[in-house]
Amino acid sequence: QSALTQPASVSGSPGQSITISCTGTSSDVGAYYFVSWYQQHPGQAPKVVIYGVSNRPSGISNRFSGSKSGNTASLTISGLQPEDEADYYCCSYTNRYTYVFGSGTKVTVL
Amino acid sequence: QVQLVQSGAEVEKPGASVKVSCKASGYTFSDYHIHWVRQAPGQGLEWIGILKASGDVTFYAQKFQGRVTMTRDTSSSTAYMELSSVTSEDTAVYYCARELPSAFYFDYWGQGTLVTVSS
Repeated sequence: QSALTQPASVSGSPGQSITISCTGTSSDVGAYYFVSWYQQHPGQAPKVVIYGVSNRPSGISNRFSGSKSGNTASLTISGLQPEDEADYYCCSYTNRYTYVFGSGTKVTVL
Repeated sequence: QVQLVQSGAEVEKPGASVKVSCKASGYTFSDYHIHWVRQAPGQGLEWIGILKASGDVTFYAQKFQGRVTMTRDTSSSTAYMELSSVTSEDTAVYYCARELPSAFYFDYWGQGTLVTVSS
């Protein structure tokens, strides 16, 4: 199972919006509405920011939103803030209880 | 509060086996699946496998099949992941994470365990 494809890096200025794409196949992203997104700061464990394509867990800012079209899912961070600088990973359910992560995107706040 | 506390760092020689533990607290341990995910130095996340809430069903990523075993001890609310025949490519931080059945995402993660494989 190959990793889902994400851009290596995305940057934006404070207050701007950025979007991270996550491209898979018809066997993973395209087949299920079970895409989640994780934020990881250096030296820390990942933290979920979006699940089920577009749902935010309790306590996650509404500046984070998710969507999906075909085999590509997207994470949008609006009103970019310095604390959003981190690595972001998408993850999709595939089949028979298996999962695949994206390659990861480093978000830089300029 | 929910916590997943993992065992400490390990150093193993090539060809050996390593066993990492993940002790859960703050919730009913047997109500949740436990997943294992690893991250090699400077690299991305890689899903290893799942031990279902029933405790008797596991699914592993194809690349780890035959080399990984996931178990649990409900009396101590602890999950284990054992990886055999390790090589330098298995050097990574290993995380446990929980999933509410049919939620299809990982809501709490352990702090990670660094496994270093070196001769």
